[in-house]
Formats: sequence, C-alpha cells, structure tokens
Amino acid sequence: DTAVSQTPKYLVTQMGNDKSIKCEQNLGHDTMYWYKQDSKKFLKIMFSYNNKELIINETVPNRFSPKSPDKAHLNLHINSLELGDSAVYFCASSLQRGAGFGETQYFGPGTRLLVL
Amino acid sequence: QQQVKQSPQSLIVQKGGISIINCAYENTAFDYFPWYQQFPGKGPALLIAIRPDVSEKKEGRFTISFNKSAKQFSLHIMDSQPGDSATYFCAASKPSGNTGKLIFGQGTTLQVKP
Repeated sequence: DTAVSQTPKYLVTQMGNDKSIKCEQNLGHDTMYWYKQDSKKFLKIMFSYNNKELIINETVPNRFSPKSPDKAHLNLHINSLELGDSAVYFCASSLQRGAGFGETQYFGPGTRLLVL
Repeated sequence: QQQVKQSPQSLIVQKGGISIINCAYENTAFDYFPWYQQFPGKGPALLIAIRPDVSEKKEGRFTISFNKSAKQFSLHIMDSQPGDSATYFCAASKPSGNTGKLIFGQGTTLQVKP
C-alpha cells in the first residue's frame, strides 16, 4: 500500500533524448509536487499542482513540462535531456495546498536520472 | 539566494550523544518550520515541525528550539542512535499565496557511531 509511488526508479539515458517520470499517490491528497535533488543533496521545488491546477512553477527550463491528468497523478516530461539534468527527482503530495498551515508533504522514493 | 541556511554540512556523533543541527532564515513572513529526515535511497519524511508562536517543541528524542528574534531554529536529537544516521533538512514556508512551497536548507548528513 505505497502512498506515493514513482516510476521508473532508475533512468539512464543519452543526452538529447526525451523521457518521462510518472507519479501516483493513493492518499486522496489534492496537491502534488516535483522536487529536484542535486548531487549535493540540495532539494528544490520545481512544480506544484493543486487538483490539476498549476500553482507553483519555479524557474525551470521549459524543457521540463509537468502534466496532471487527475489529482492522483503528476507526471514530469523532460525534452532534450542535458548532462546537468542528472539528479534525483522526487514527487510529493499534501492533503491541501498550503504548507504554511502545517500540511505535511509525503515524498515518493525518487527517480534517479543519469544523463550520459 | 539561499533563504534558509543550515549548518553543519556533516556531523559525527557517538551513540548516546546529542546531535544539534542549526538553521537560520531571512524572511520574517515564514510561519512554518519543518524538519525532514532522509535515509539513503529514500525520499524525505517529516520528522517534526514548529510554528513561530512557540519556542520549543519536543517529540520523543527530537526537539526543535525556535528563536524568532534571531530568526534561527535548531534540531536537537537526544541519546542519538545509529539508526538516526541520515540526512536532515530544515525547511520553511510562508502562507502568502497558499501554495505549499517549502524552501529547504542545504541538508546535514548525520553519522552516529556505535
């Protein structure tokens, strides 16, 4: 009964390729997020969707495009992959938007992307 | 611009000792300060969190101390155990726009030696 799941767990690809990472949550949460964790373990928010509406769109290259077909799924598509895209990508979800009100974010296990 | 600064970057503590990790923030609009724990190969998980209307919060061996005037908060792990070895992240968020955006510190890798 995984709460937040991501596929694939590992992704090794060549520069210039296009790839997608999928995320699903079975917690009934309204809000989902994508984070990037670099080689120094720094975590940075990329995108957030609340009930299929984009609410956070950080300064991310437009090669990255999130898609939320429904509130339980948030996918990340990356075009023209570059070496610098190598990182661990985490999906997360929270019951409602607004961590300012103490909403716990539940993270998935991560997708380790290596661009060669 | 790093809005939440965390130190130290790494920490080694003997079993039974006290681990202390510090964070400082810049934006006085922040009103929620969680700590997340991440084990190797796993996603971060919420450990403990505090709001600025209290100066301390304790849950088991984990305590957050909060100093609003200094814009600092810290995590204390009492009686540290080898199972506590992980990376710890402080974070902060503000209610403006109600987006749920968390700003993380740089992380502290804790190793507890048996």
